[in-house]
Amino acid sequence: AQKITQTQPGMFVQEKEAVTLDCTYDTSDPSYGLFWYKQPSSGEMIFLIYQGSYDQQNATEGRYSLNFQKARKSANLVISASQLGDSAMYFCAMSLNNQAGTALIFGKGTTLSVSS
Amino acid sequence: NAGVMQNPRHLVRRRGQEARLRCSPMKGHSHVYWYRQLPEEGLKFMVYLQKENIIDESGMPKERFSAEFPKEGPSILRIQQVVRGDSAAYFCASSPRQASGNTIYFGEGSWLTVV
Repeated sequence: AQKITQTQPGMFVQEKEAVTLDCTYDTSDPSYGLFWYKQPSSGEMIFLIYQGSYDQQNATEGRYSLNFQKARKSANLVISASQLGDSAMYFCAMSLNNQAGTALIFGKGTTLSVSS
Repeated sequence: NAGVMQNPRHLVRRRGQEARLRCSPMKGHSHVYWYRQLPEEGLKFMVYLQKENIIDESGMPKERFSAEFPKEGPSILRIQQVVRGDSAAYFCASSPRQASGNTIYFGEGSWLTVV
């Protein structure tokens, strides 16, 4: 069965430091997509970054990068130069078949707290 | 947040009442998904719809929950005879008909509280 595991319930980091949020996944399907979303205290789900299973290079979006290690089935999110506004819940998710039209499976999330 | 509109944002219902949550997908999107987020949990898939069709409802509770996406108008998630355990955030997402995997956009959520 497909599964997403986020083992860090909470992470703490100081401003301007980098932080890595862990995500491992389990699927037997060769074609899938991996997503990270941010959920601030206001509640909305904000898309951060996407990696397709056949993408050769790790995805990057500004201060966000995805450390995709296919053999280890891990898709860790790296946030560089943390800001106070990065404090939020972060969810890793997986879609199957690398297409829209399929559901996303979410992990339980990691709460990131950034201090000054 | 990419134009997926959900309303109401907050809804309070007494046990036994009905709750109706609405979702207007982003312009040009014909796929709609509903997810539920219980407190301290990640989102759980409920149902996937296209216009006038339910494609996958494997995550929907067997009773009291229904969803539709009519030819005209928003998608509706309907919960009949609500119970305290239905209190959660309900998120709608949409994607275009022809899509790559990174074009799924979420609305801001509807928070249901059952008292």
